[in-house]
Amino acid sequence: DAKTTQPNSMESNEEEPVHLPCNHSTISGTDYIHWYRQLPSQGPEYVIHGLTSNVNNRMASLAIAEDRKSSTLILHRATLRDAAVYYCILGAGGTSYGKLTFGQGTILTVHP
Amino acid sequence: SAVISQKPSRDICQRGTSLTIQCQVDSQVTMMFWYRQQPGQSLTLIATANQGSEATYESGFVIDKFPISRPNLTFSTLTVSNMSPEDSSIYLCSALPGVTEAFFGQGTRLTVV
Repeated sequence: DAKTTQPNSMESNEEEPVHLPCNHSTISGTDYIHWYRQLPSQGPEYVIHGLTSNVNNRMASLAIAEDRKSSTLILHRATLRDAAVYYCILGAGGTSYGKLTFGQGTILTVHP
Repeated sequence: SAVISQKPSRDICQRGTSLTIQCQVDSQVTMMFWYRQQPGQSLTLIATANQGSEATYESGFVIDKFPISRPNLTFSTLTVSNMSPEDSSIYLCSALPGVTEAFFGQGTRLTVV
């Protein structure tokens, strides 16, 4: 599996935007970029995913570089509930998708 | 979407014993998976639970240690056998009802003493 690199930790203030970067220079043409987050004492939850184009959903936005070697997860207005470990994961689509390779992720701290 | 229930939520077990963890999904799903999260670490995939056939294990995990059952499209079990303190981890079940979003249970926190 292609590898991703994320900062170990980031901090933000409540109600401010947060940009979480992810580098994936060895991404293949068929790899999707997935983001999951894990709140304290919970299982991971899906945030967003994309292939080439930028994506928006109710939780976040995903900005993908033109060469696809990096991406950024954007939380438009951080809340205290967004404090979690955020994982950037590369994977194939289809039925093999569920086999996720988690890296160490970014610990996001949100200050009131 | 899918709601996943795991039992037990936590347990403390004696070394040398076995624990079976149950995973129930509220809808039929094709793909189910088991992960391990060691203390302070990220998640590692143990195996894919295949319905009606033997589970597919990842490198470093074997059936004798982690036998898995998948009797139908909504249920799976993971057994941690002959436990040692090194098996103390959180074990998580995951299901893939579609093809783009995986759902996870809350996890089973296992402590082996």
